[in-house]
Amino acid sequence: AQTVTQSQPEMSVQEAETVTLSCTYDTSESNYYLFWYKQPPSRQMILVIRQEAYKQQNATENRFSVNFQKAAKSFSLKISDSQLGDTAMYFCAFMKGGNDMRFGAGTRLTVKP
Amino acid sequence: DSGVTQTPKHLITATGQRVTLRCSPRSGDLSVYWYQQSLDQGLQFLIQYYNGEERAKGNILERFSAQQFPDLHSELNLSSLELGDSALYFCASSVVGVWTEAFFGQGTRLTVV
Repeated sequence: AQTVTQSQPEMSVQEAETVTLSCTYDTSESNYYLFWYKQPPSRQMILVIRQEAYKQQNATENRFSVNFQKAAKSFSLKISDSQLGDTAMYFCAFMKGGNDMRFGAGTRLTVKP
Repeated sequence: DSGVTQTPKHLITATGQRVTLRCSPRSGDLSVYWYQQSLDQGLQFLIQYYNGEERAKGNILERFSAQQFPDLHSELNLSSLELGDSALYFCASSVVGVWTEAFFGQGTRLTVV
């Protein structure tokens, strides 16, 4: 079974600074998908960014980017120019094509003014 | 709005009772997932259905069951409820076989008293 590990239960960052959230996963599959979801206090699950394992280029969505290291099975999220609205729980997730999505335990990020 | 509808939004019931949570996936999505999120915890995968058939099973208790109907909506049945079953239950849907993420509903908050 695939496992996803987020080793940072909590992190904080000053507004306008950059923060990186870590995620590692374990799989024997060669093709899969990786995601970062954000869960603000409203508890809604919001997709932040996604990455296909066969793509070597790291995904970027505005202030959010990933560092995908397939050999190391690492998938970190970098948030640039942090904003107060980025305060949320962040979950890393793994999905094999057609199958269930497995989540890490989450990292609680607090952006301080 | 993700397009995934969950009802009810809130549910309060007594220990020992049985409840049914309902999920309507996005139009065209054949796959439905159920997740449980206890207070300040990560998302625990319960079960996945694809086009009416069970596709994957996670840490779902024997007191819990689910099904997906021909119109693709899904129901999660929780019986003999215990205080520890109090949680936020999410439904998500996706288009299996193509590059996409899972889209989440707003969740049903279950409180067992």
